[in-house]
Amino acid sequence: TQLLEQSPQFLSIQEGENLTVYCNSSSVFSSLQWYRQEPGEGPVLLVTVVTGGEVKKLKRLTFQFGDARKDSSLHITAAQPGDTGLYLCAGEWGGGADGLTFGKGTHLIIQP
Amino acid sequence: GAVVSQHPSRVICKSGTSVKIECRSLDFQATTMFWYRQFPKKSLMLMATSNEGSKATYEQGVEKDKFLINHASLTLSTLTVTSAHPEDSSFYICSARGGGGEAFFGQGTRLTVV
Repeated sequence: TQLLEQSPQFLSIQEGENLTVYCNSSSVFSSLQWYRQEPGEGPVLLVTVVTGGEVKKLKRLTFQFGDARKDSSLHITAAQPGDTGLYLCAGEWGGGADGLTFGKGTHLIIQP
Repeated sequence: GAVVSQHPSRVICKSGTSVKIECRSLDFQATTMFWYRQFPKKSLMLMATSNEGSKATYEQGVEKDKFLINHASLTLSTLTVTSAHPEDSSFYICSARGGGGEAFFGQGTRLTVV
């Protein structure tokens, strides 16, 4: 079983601050996804990264994939209360036939 | 993105009864569907992987006789929790993967066994 470490697990910051969430593994990912989940709902895909060193932006969210494809980060600039939620990274190590392995998630609270 | 519909969204059942949860891919054919379980304030744990027309592959520690998975078509997979007990109460989520490679999640089913 592949392990995927996600940190921090809980983060509460003020509106307007920046934050970074990290996702790490000792193995090379074939791909990595970032999701956001609201209470009582399924995860919603934010981004998929595949290529080492890849950087993707989604408005104030910046996703980075490590050069060695073993780690990824999610950076939020000028956080807003609407960013509050559970952020999950999920990795694949095979060719896509296996399910995703999820990190423990980051519970993010942005206080107005 | 693609749409995956999960039904029901909430269900309450008596201990000892069975509950069926459906997962449908509405606008694409899902060659593979996955079932996850999520406890409060925890992450998702993969329970099983199912491919259309073949038996599901269960993760270690998941009882296949208790969590019956049927993937009868390219757009429908079902999870039946048999002889449910209160400890089976959880949030169950399916995801479906099509030819494009990305997996999309259903809305989840909140199961409460009383």
